[in-house]
Amino acid sequence: DSGVTQTPKHLITATGQRVTLRCSPRSGDLSVYWYQQSLDQGLQFLIQYYNGEERAKGNILERFSAQQFPDLHSELNLSSLELGDSALYFCASSGGGVGPYEQYFGPGTRLTVT
Amino acid sequence: AQKITQTQPGMFVQEKEAVTLDCTYDTSDQSYGLFWYKQPSSGEMIFLIYQGSYDEQNATEGRYSLNFQKARKSANLVISASQLGDSAMYFCAMREVIQGAQKLVFGQGTRLTINP
Repeated sequence: DSGVTQTPKHLITATGQRVTLRCSPRSGDLSVYWYQQSLDQGLQFLIQYYNGEERAKGNILERFSAQQFPDLHSELNLSSLELGDSALYFCASSGGGVGPYEQYFGPGTRLTVT
Repeated sequence: AQKITQTQPGMFVQEKEAVTLDCTYDTSDQSYGLFWYKQPSSGEMIFLIYQGSYDEQNATEGRYSLNFQKARKSANLVISASQLGDSAMYFCAMREVIQGAQKLVFGQGTRLTINP
């Protein structure tokens, strides 16, 4: 158990809908990262938050947004969902903004868009 | 941009044998970090081992060791005395620092199957 929790574990929804994925980092970790794993794109970095502030953006679509709350949990919002958004979404956390910190991953949320 | 290459899509190994999973990387940074993660069929990503570019010794964690050859830009994972539970996808990743923030860049992965 990495100490990172993600809910829900599975999510099935229809095209055009909006969903929210939730992540709680390991105790004491200030950084939260979101990654998307799909069959065609592999594992891709989406966005990083550090202590409530956005720090880095990767290949995140404009239909997707995220935030990190004062208690350090984070939410990833996916809207106007398309079939191609079906993927495994991971949250990871680490101890700081920059440094050789290992990123510990949560169990992931498997999103299926029908 | 940094790039990670894993050239072995799949590997089959007999139980108790040692196995080496290949990883090469490309970066112009002087300071960088390399990671290996295991993803079993259940889907979670499990951190295995980390190697910093300035670490003089190869990293080891139990049955896992990292064969770090800086000049060749390779960071191969060695699993000694393989077990059936080692069957999984294995990902090599590099830490990329962008304007004070960091992300991981992953390779495409190697699917390891341990045969009894």
